[in-house]
Amino acid sequence: EDQVTQSPEALRLQEGESSSLNCSYTVSGLRGLFWYRQDPGKGPEFLFTLYSAGEEKEKERLKATLTKKESFLHITAPKPEDSATYLCAVQGASGTYKYIFGTGTRLKVLA
Amino acid sequence: DTEVTQTPKHLVMGMTNKKSLKCEQHMGHRAMYWYKQKAKKPPELMFVYSYEKLSINESVPSRFSPECPNSSLLNLHLHALQPEDSALYLCASSLGQGANTEAFFGQGTRLTVV
Repeated sequence: EDQVTQSPEALRLQEGESSSLNCSYTVSGLRGLFWYRQDPGKGPEFLFTLYSAGEEKEKERLKATLTKKESFLHITAPKPEDSATYLCAVQGASGTYKYIFGTGTRLKVLA
Repeated sequence: DTEVTQTPKHLVMGMTNKKSLKCEQHMGHRAMYWYKQKAKKPPELMFVYSYEKLSINESVPSRFSPECPNSSLLNLHLHALQPEDSALYLCASSLGQGANTEAFFGQGTRLTVV
């Protein structure tokens, strides 16, 4: 069964303190791994899509990387406005092409 | 434009009411989704429409009835809901159900059942 696990569950950082969020996955034939940011009470906002091991994507202070078993979302010199829940999702080749979500990492960046 | 528009933003309904949630996208996407999200939980898939046909129903109770009138619109009809159905309801769309591409989400409808 396709599965996604995110860690840590919650993370508090000081402004400027870089860190990484982890997304471990088990999926039969990865078709895509997706990162989203979600603010409280809002819908998830798409950040990145990764397709194959070794791939990297960057956007402002965020950088996503992918291996055969996990993905990392690196946050460099975060600001308070980066505070949000970060969700990871995978799409496998099971035939239904569902997006399977992890439980997310709640990030709080303190000024 | 990667916008998925949901209306209303907030909805309060009684357990005997009938209401509908609406979702619209103009990205030419052929897969549309309804998700339910409870506080501090990930989105939970309810339904998938592919090319305007219901493709996946995740054993959702019949008090939730989806409808896809055309390729741009998705509705969720609600009837005789329970207080535990209170949640954030999210609509999403993607290029196609098997297209290996990201899904874009709307801002959600915050539903409260009283």
